[in-house]
Amino acid sequence: GAVVSQHPSRVICKSGTSVKIECRSLDFQATTMFWYRQFPKQSLMLMATSNEGSKATYEQGVEKDKFLINHASLTLSTLTVTSAHPEDSSFYICSARDPAARLETQYFGPGTRLLVL
Amino acid sequence: AQSVAQPEDQVNVAEGNPLTVKCTYSVSGNPYLFWYVQYPNRGLQFLLKYITGDNLVKGSYGFEAEFNKSQTSFHLKKPSALVSDSALYFCAVRANSGNTPLVFGKGTRLSVIA
Repeated sequence: GAVVSQHPSRVICKSGTSVKIECRSLDFQATTMFWYRQFPKQSLMLMATSNEGSKATYEQGVEKDKFLINHASLTLSTLTVTSAHPEDSSFYICSARDPAARLETQYFGPGTRLLVL
Repeated sequence: AQSVAQPEDQVNVAEGNPLTVKCTYSVSGNPYLFWYVQYPNRGLQFLLKYITGDNLVKGSYGFEAEFNKSQTSFHLKKPSALVSDSALYFCAVRANSGNTPLVFGKGTRLSVIA
């Protein structure tokens, strides 16, 4: 099946710094990618929908200036957490949709665990 | 708006017994329905999906789910539970039109006791 990778898998940073998370579709072109956030023992909450070559669509309550999303190519989307604070510590999961698939399915990356000290 | 309800935070079952994890959904139009499993500190693993066709869907690791349109449900089942099935299970839905994202339920933690 299709594969989505994320890098890094785990990152620890100091408060006030920025962290970039990469999401790549390895064997298909993803015109749409999604970024989710998961707090401990909670569900995945959609943060934003990223379309290649256009601005991301953010869900209500998600600060677009804090969570910068770039989808510059059909195989790469990045999420940058700017001026990170401890409350941004979470598990971030990206997902990509293969438009060429006969039955559309979202493929999920393995997640990135962010810890802000 | 789309939504998913998983009414049980936790399900406990003895090994070898059948298991059911409940899910109901709300969506405009016809749904695409999914089940995913998540092990500790890991990403999501796809189990099965309903797109169209037979209401009973068979997926990975012996799991199956039945789409019930009148009850707007998509309960996950397995005839005989294994200890290794212990994990967090998520039901998800999206409308079958447009480029809408998957919306997830809050998850149900399954614990299979030997």
